[in-house]
Amino acid sequence: GQQVMQIPQYQHVQEGEDFTTYCNSSTTLSNIQWYKQRPGGHPVFLIQLVKSGEVKKQKRLTFQFGEAKKNSSLHITATQTTDVGTYFCAGNAGGTSYGKLTFGQGTILTVHP
Amino acid sequence: KAGVTQTPRYLIKTRGQQVTLSCSPISGHRSVSWYQQTPGQGLQFLFEYFSETQRNKGNFPGRFSGRQFSNSRSEMNVSTLELGDSALYLCASSLSSGPPYEQYFGPGTRLTVT
Repeated sequence: GQQVMQIPQYQHVQEGEDFTTYCNSSTTLSNIQWYKQRPGGHPVFLIQLVKSGEVKKQKRLTFQFGEAKKNSSLHITATQTTDVGTYFCAGNAGGTSYGKLTFGQGTILTVHP
Repeated sequence: KAGVTQTPRYLIKTRGQQVTLSCSPISGHRSVSWYQQTPGQGLQFLFEYFSETQRNKGNFPGRFSGRQFSNSRSEMNVSTLELGDSALYLCASSLSSGPPYEQYFGPGTRLTVT
């Protein structure tokens, strides 16, 4: 079945440093989604990427979808303490499977002030 | 709009018992997906319901089942509970009428099996 690998598992940064997490799928995806889960909270949707090579930005966050639609990355510029949490990528095969997300293991981001 | 609600929020059960968890999706959302979250396995897909029909299923044993009602509310049931079933159970709803396909998660039900 479809597997989604995400690295690194943990990332500790000083406030103001950049942060990147990478996601790789064993199969070609229809779309990839990114979620953020704060400690004690639930996953919150950040963005969806659909097109090959797509790049989207949300303020300090930049999301990329690979040309082969099998990998993706999330880059945060100049981290802030509010960025703390676990970032998940989630692959979707599309079609009638778009209600099924295969999540990566997540990257736990700690930001030291 | 009100968000996804899940009840109960916390539950303690004994091994061998069964449990039913409830999820009310965002108004107008017809798709409800269920996930199990544990520290070791992360977020794993259980099943998805759309228009009262199970449309997708993950790799969980038959002890895990679910259903969806005509108002899109969904329940999941776990029978013969095992210690390993202790987890945060999350449901998520989506419009399911076309892209974007983002899912809106509820706060989850924390199940502890002793």
